[in-house]
Amino acid sequence: QSVLTQPPSVSGAPGQRVTITCTGSRSNIGTGYAVHWYQQLPGTAPKLLIYDNNSRPSGVPDRFSGSKSGTSASLAITGLQAEDEADYYCQSYDNNLSGVLFGGGTKLTVL
Amino acid sequence: EVLLVESGGGVAQPGGSLRLSCEASGFTFGHHAMHWVRQAPGKGLQWVSLISWDSSRVSYIGSVRGRFTISRENSKNSLYLEMNSLETDDSGFYYCATKADRYTSAYGGFDFWGQGTLVSVSS
Repeated sequence: QSVLTQPPSVSGAPGQRVTITCTGSRSNIGTGYAVHWYQQLPGTAPKLLIYDNNSRPSGVPDRFSGSKSGTSASLAITGLQAEDEADYYCQSYDNNLSGVLFGGGTKLTVL
Repeated sequence: EVLLVESGGGVAQPGGSLRLSCEASGFTFGHHAMHWVRQAPGKGLQWVSLISWDSSRVSYIGSVRGRFTISRENSKNSLYLEMNSLETDDSGFYYCATKADRYTSAYGGFDFWGQGTLVSVSS
């Protein structure tokens, strides 16, 4: 089954570090396809946060970092700020789907 | 500046049809694969369809295959999604999107997104 699994929610206090995991399978992340991460604020289109596993687009703070290993990937956010409160999605390509696959999304709450 | 502007959303009855358009500017549209992504109210992102730069390859998520048709006109910098036999589960915002790197634009990592157009399927 072609699924990318994320925790529904994570939380942390300002200044803390949080990680969001994205678990896939051999038909997607495990094949070697890149993992990308998006941040979505309410009422807005998603914004690319991390591309190709661990690269940041221009303008994205280095508090955001990505990693990938085997069939999983992670997004780490350090020095949490109130403005980081948003929904976060991982994405990869899937051979079974012959298309792009999104994770279910994780809501980050800054306490 | 890259712009993707969707249009064509609206209200349709179950079984009805809508045609979405996405007009692109600020980049060489004809070099990039293009995608449609949707988001139901309060739900997550769902990839819907992709079309290669030259229209030689198209792909759909299973729930829309046979009902939706993706197409493009590179001469008009435009992407389309013909939506037939609409179901209530098709409701949501529809975004067109692509990646700055044209060589990997079929695989995700979307730098560029439109603002979305809202589709509401209801009787």
